[in-house]
Amino acid sequence: DAKTTQPTSMDCAEGRAANLPCNHSTISGNEYVYWYRQIHSQGPQYIIHGLKNNETNEMASLIITEDRKSSTLILPHATLRDTAVYYCIVRVGSGNTGKLIFGQGTTLQVKP
Amino acid sequence: DTAVSQTPKYLVTQMGNDKSIKCEQNLGHDTMYWYKQDSKKFLKIMFSYNNKELIINETVPNRFSPKSPDKAHLNLHINSLELGDSAVYFCASSPFPGGGELFFGEGSRLTVL
Repeated sequence: DAKTTQPTSMDCAEGRAANLPCNHSTISGNEYVYWYRQIHSQGPQYIIHGLKNNETNEMASLIITEDRKSSTLILPHATLRDTAVYYCIVRVGSGNTGKLIFGQGTTLQVKP
Repeated sequence: DTAVSQTPKYLVTQMGNDKSIKCEQNLGHDTMYWYKQDSKKFLKIMFSYNNKELIINETVPNRFSPKSPDKAHLNLHINSLELGDSAVYFCASSPFPGGGELFFGEGSRLTVL
């Protein structure tokens, strides 16, 4: 089972920041948080990941709370092409058998 | 040049048939995966292979047999297809086993009638 819970759906206005929350209260100290998205009829796409510190790349920023029990993915200027299902994932297992367990994700609808 | 490519993209077949889905990656990665996405959109890992060796087998029925002829290819063969096998199957690769940054293919939609 997935170790994360996310809202089922969210809306965001085009050009505004989209903030997608995720709870992972049972995360262990060495487990990373990953974010992926899946645009309709395409394969999932990696966005970003982190352990303790906040992270930023060309796609998004990841804010992880100090207790690591929750995180927020931020898309700074959402566009219509960002409409997708966003998955927050805690990688479980270790070493070669580490794996991603996908939950239901958040369907983000970016509106004009 | 597609990084992870799967064929066929669509597959419609009758119950009881045997079918295969092929996957190839040109990223030079050591590890490849098969995921299944059912009608409720849940993505579940099925298998992972590292350099042709099976690493993860998520208690998938033995009608599903992955085969990795080399580290750039991971094919999925399904025997005696059942209605419940209808799903989208995604192939993925990563630089090393257990990694979290996966590159997914576009998926192969299997419909069993």
